[in-house]
Amino acid sequence: DGGITQSPKYLFRKEGQNVTLSCEQNLNHDAMYWYRQDPGQGLRLIYYSQIVNDFQKGDIAEGYSVSREKKESFPLTVTSAQKNPTAFYLCASSITGAVISSYNEQFFGPGTRLTVL
Amino acid sequence: ILNVEQSPQSLNVQEGDSTNFTCSFPSSNFYALHWYRWETAKSPEALFVMTLNGDEKKKGRISATLNTKEGYSYLYIKGSQPEDSATYLCAFPHYGGSQGNLIFGKGTKLSVKP
Repeated sequence: DGGITQSPKYLFRKEGQNVTLSCEQNLNHDAMYWYRQDPGQGLRLIYYSQIVNDFQKGDIAEGYSVSREKKESFPLTVTSAQKNPTAFYLCASSITGAVISSYNEQFFGPGTRLTVL
Repeated sequence: ILNVEQSPQSLNVQEGDSTNFTCSFPSSNFYALHWYRWETAKSPEALFVMTLNGDEKKKGRISATLNTKEGYSYLYIKGSQPEDSATYLCAFPHYGGSQGNLIFGKGTKLSVKP
């Protein structure tokens, strides 16, 4: 089945550690996104990638890094510089990230819940 | 700063009730308005992508209308069922450069009691 997978489902991090969240899609989509959800807040964009080897900061990129070496993969690293990393992280993809992407729905993974101990 | 507002924040209804909720968005530079349903322990799924003023879309018992001039969309659920319990998100594409990114509202959490 086509879709987006995220791993792990739950992740625990000690203070000062970097951790990487995995996101893989087999939908052949060009664009991929990382969102963060906090209680009482809407989904907020961390990073997005319109195409392989290209990515852009979203609204809350500080303390995060990404790579897009393959079309199907868009891992997110939460670095020790992220002051409040405990949150639910969602990965998404869409056919394209260009202007016409406004007409294309985004497909979401099941999410990773990160907790800092 | 673009803002997408949804109301109410939460809604509790009985099975069989019909209900509706609102999404408000900037009326300038409109491209599209997205509605997503997010059930607990599942991934958000797209319900509708609406692009034309006055448009009405329907999927089963769920329908949505769009007013781009005044900047709002309504989502209606007719005869709510327990399986409709979910958080309903709306999202508005915002363009910086050539990319279009979705600005999400905080959602309306619907609980349907049998």
